[in-house]
Amino acid sequence: EIVLTQSPATLSLSPGDRATLSCRASQSVRSSLAWYQQKPGQAPRLLIYDASNRAAGIPVRFSGSGSGTDFTLTINSLEPEDFAVYYCHQRSSWPLPFGPGTKVEIK
Amino acid sequence: DVQLVESGGGLVQPGGSLRLSCVASGFAFDNYWMTWVRQAPGKVVEWVGNIKGDGSAKYYVDSVEGRFTISRDNAKNSLYLQMDSLRAEDTAVYYCVRDTNYGSGSYYGDCWGQGTLVTVSS
Repeated sequence: EIVLTQSPATLSLSPGDRATLSCRASQSVRSSLAWYQQKPGQAPRLLIYDASNRAAGIPVRFSGSGSGTDFTLTINSLEPEDFAVYYCHQRSSWPLPFGPGTKVEIK
Repeated sequence: DVQLVESGGGLVQPGGSLRLSCVASGFAFDNYWMTWVRQAPGKVVEWVGNIKGDGSAKYYVDSVEGRFTISRDNAKNSLYLQMDSLRAEDTAVYYCVRDTNYGSGSYYGDCWGQGTLVTVSS
């Protein structure tokens, strides 16, 4: 079973900063990885699929990279609405675990 | 508009059963894999299981295997989660999710319902 780890657990930044979030898989998931954003009281929202493709309606400040076991979500110039929890999710092999999440909070 | 609406959550005693439903609209339901995802209060998101568009394949996380059953009725555009032998640790908001293939062969949850809360407690 593939295990995902995310770092850091919490990222304290100011609006306008760049956020760099990491996701590491215990074995290769090729490029079958997604990133989700979740705000309090809401369902997660798909941001990135296939490691580097933005989902429909997602602003260009969100970008994803990586393949195999190491992945990065970058948010350029944080907007106030970007402060949330971010999860990675592998879609390579069952079961399909999510990572533990990174909380991006206002510094 | 694409919409997923869950129902059926509530309070149930340990060892009890509950059936969740999800009604889909705005897309060709039988063309899509569908997934159940849950989130315990204040905890991380957990993939529970999914089902192929024609119902011919199903997969579950180990912690619910043998206790939970995913099914669908494509004529009613509906997805179900039958939960038996419920435990306190099954307490969570349960989300119904549409999985879309963007052409790479992998499927991603691009549409989520609002969730329904299941509380397992005596």
